[in-house]
Amino acid sequence: DGGITQSPKYLFRKEGQNVTLSCEQNLNHDAMYWYRQDPGQGLRLIYYSQIVNDFQKGDIAEGYSVSREKKESFPLTVTSAQKNPTAFYLCASSNQGTNEKLFFGSGTQLSVL
Amino acid sequence: GESVGLHLPTLSVQEGDNSIINCAYSNSASDYFIWYKQESGKGPQFIIDIRSNMDKRQGQRVTVLLNKTVKHLSLQIAATQPGDSAVYFCAEKGSSYKLIFGSGTRLLVRP
Repeated sequence: DGGITQSPKYLFRKEGQNVTLSCEQNLNHDAMYWYRQDPGQGLRLIYYSQIVNDFQKGDIAEGYSVSREKKESFPLTVTSAQKNPTAFYLCASSNQGTNEKLFFGSGTQLSVL
Repeated sequence: GESVGLHLPTLSVQEGDNSIINCAYSNSASDYFIWYKQESGKGPQFIIDIRSNMDKRQGQRVTVLLNKTVKHLSLQIAATQPGDSAVYFCAEKGSSYKLIFGSGTRLLVRP
């Protein structure tokens, strides 16, 4: 089945620790995105990538880093510089232009121990 | 994920009735709009999209209406079913070239 796979489903971070969230897609989509979702708020864009080896900051990139070494993979690292990392993280991809008709993964819930 | 939807406006409908979920957007220059459905603990699921050169678009049991004069978007769900219970949110794409997401509306379907 084609789709977007995020792992893990749940992740816990200790103080001062970097953690990496995985996102893999087999839809052959060019563009990939990372969003953060907090209760009662809309999705906020962290980073996006339109093509391999290229990515741009979104609206809330501070404390996060990404890489796009392969078309199908777009991992997100939540660094220790992100002071409020507890949130639901969503990865998405699109092939219909950029930033249109995004297909989302099932999300990763990150919590701080 | 399980806490998504706290403090959201809620629409409660009887099973079998039609549902109308509304969304006000902010940018008169936005030219693309999209609706998503999100169940608890899951990622958003695409429902339907529409471009600004259209006023109406229909899918399976769903219709999106766009009123550019008042910057209003609505999602109509016909014959609402228990499986339609979820949080629904709209997004617009404007001059910033990024999708701007609303906070969502929770739809509860009463049996």
